[in-house]
Formats: sequence, structure tokens, C-alpha cells
Amino acid sequence: GAVVSQHPSRVICKSGTSVKIECRSLDFQATTMFWYRQFPKQSLMLMATSNEGSKATYEQGVEKDKFLINHASLTLSTLTVTSAHPEDSSFYICSAPRFGRGPSYNEQFFGPGTRLTVL
Amino acid sequence: QKEVEQNSGPLSVPEGAIASLNCTYSDRGSQSFFWYRQYSGKSPELIMFIYSNGDKEDGRFTAQLNKASQYVSLLIRDSQPSDSATYLCAVYQYNNNDMRFGAGTRLTVKP
Repeated sequence: GAVVSQHPSRVICKSGTSVKIECRSLDFQATTMFWYRQFPKQSLMLMATSNEGSKATYEQGVEKDKFLINHASLTLSTLTVTSAHPEDSSFYICSAPRFGRGPSYNEQFFGPGTRLTVL
Repeated sequence: QKEVEQNSGPLSVPEGAIASLNCTYSDRGSQSFFWYRQYSGKSPELIMFIYSNGDKEDGRFTAQLNKASQYVSLLIRDSQPSDSATYLCAVYQYNNNDMRFGAGTRLTVKP
């Protein structure tokens, strides 16, 4: 089956530093990838939609200058948390849709997630 | 505001019973509907998807979709303790490339 990888799986950093998270689709091309954030005991919250070759679309309330997204190729999207602070500590998950069987079907493959802890 | 709503639970059922998880959505343009299972500290894993009205069965799982009522459900038969997890309902609209998740229902299956 399709696999989406994320790197790193876990990162601990000091407040004020920037952290880059990579999301890769390993056996299919993804023109779109989604970035989610999940706080403990809460659901996934969509942060932004990453589009290959164009600017990302951010959800309301998500600072695009703080969460930089670059969809460099059809298999790679990166999320950079700039000047991270303790309140940015969270579980960040990416997903990539693989289209097939017509427009009514779309399967989202999730990466394993990156746990960010900002001290 | 597009919304996907689930009862947060926790839902507790005894081992061997049927667990029923419900989800409603507000966007009538939604086209595909997914149920994911998420264990604590892990990313979601797909259980089933459905895009036509009616029932879809896969092993112990049955998804039910009623687009007129904007309602989708997941039934788990012969529930096992290993089914204990948070179940996320997700709704996708192809034209907008928009995928939204419900808050999730926490299910506990007691031995």
C-alpha cells in the first residue's frame, strides 16, 4: 500500500529556534498534502494545504509566516515552524491523498507524525 | 463554517458487543466519507471509506451513509479490547480538495 513518511519522528528544541518537518509520499505522487496539528486528547486540526508548484493555503488562525510550507516536488512537502515557542509543542501530522477510481474516491494516507517539544 | 460532528464519548461497550459510532456533517457538497482509527500517540489509520448511500461492510466493520440526512455511521461487530481507540470521521469534498475531521469518539471495549 501507499506510504507516507515523516522526518523527524520526534524533536526537542529550545524556544526561538526553527524546526523543519519533512513529509514524503514514498510510492505515489502527491500534488497536494495536508498538514495537521493535534494537541493531547484533541482531534486533528487542519493547519494548511500544501500545493506543489503554488502557495500553500492556510486555515483561519494559522500564521503563514510562522508555519512555512514548501511543496518542493510531487513527493515532498516541508513544514518549518519558525521561532518555535512552548505553545507550539504538539503532534504534527501530514497526509497525502491518492486519487483513484473517479472523483468520488479519495484515500488519505497519513504520515506517522512528528512530536515537537519546545523547551 | 463546515463542520463534522461526533459524540466525543467515551463510549464503553463490553467485549463481543456492537459498537455504534455516529457522525453528522454540514456540507451537502461532501462526497467521500472516511472512518479512521487512532491509537494514543499514533497517527490515524484508515478503516473504511464510503461514498454511496447505504451500507458497506468490511469484516467486522459496517459503514452506513445517508446523504439526505447528512449522516454517516460505523458499526463494529464483536468488539474486541484491541478496538479501544479514538475513531475519527472525515469528510472530503473533491471539488474544493477539502478534508475535515470530526473531533473523534473515544471507544473503550471492556473485557
